[in-house]
Amino acid sequence: QQQVKQSPQSLIVQKGGISIINCAYENTAFDYFPWYQQFPGKGPALLIAIRPDVSEKKEGRFTISFNKSAKQFSLHIMDSQPGDSATYFCAASSPGNQFYFGTGTSLTVIP
Amino acid sequence: DAGVIQSPRHEVTEMGQEVTLRCKPISGHNSLFWYRQTMMRGLELLIYFNNNVPIDDSGMPEDRFSAKMPNASFSTLKIQPSEPRDSAVYFCASSHITGGIVAFFGQGTRLTVV
Repeated sequence: QQQVKQSPQSLIVQKGGISIINCAYENTAFDYFPWYQQFPGKGPALLIAIRPDVSEKKEGRFTISFNKSAKQFSLHIMDSQPGDSATYFCAASSPGNQFYFGTGTSLTVIP
Repeated sequence: DAGVIQSPRHEVTEMGQEVTLRCKPISGHNSLFWYRQTMMRGLELLIYFNNNVPIDDSGMPEDRFSAKMPNASFSTLKIQPSEPRDSAVYFCASSHITGGIVAFFGQGTRLTVV
């Protein structure tokens, strides 16, 4: 059973546009929701993370929106750049337990 | 800190051979994870350790796979005998159990079994 469901599988955005990736979860014990960025040939790298006591967190052009009642969270990339082209994974975890990853979204930003 | 260190970066082996992948977690981290990544299945958790103790190995595909963590600074993932379907990128990640939970990933080992 997929603990974290991620969509879309792939996304193509024009330079300067907004990229939006969505994730949903079922386990209410999750208390940490990170997003990872992975470039070809590299390991996933932490991009931004949020805990469920806040509804939004922003770091530069990257924003996580969190809806606790709907058990959904999303990543917004503002002013998308070609250098943002990568695979993005959402994840969820609780203390002492494993990280559950979404299936990944391949983002392509067209110049 | 050098981050999570994995070796080798690339491994090509013949079917039936034993393969050992190595991982050095970030100093001070007490959780260690082994993941496998393929195009078909994405990132799959194989096993994870807390304080050197295996907590959940339900993701290990079969008995051909084994993992050990003899101390806080070293872990191995062994495949014996290897099969072509084991070809994938294997990632090790480490994290703190409590507090700011962040999983740091190594660069991965690309395994090809021919």
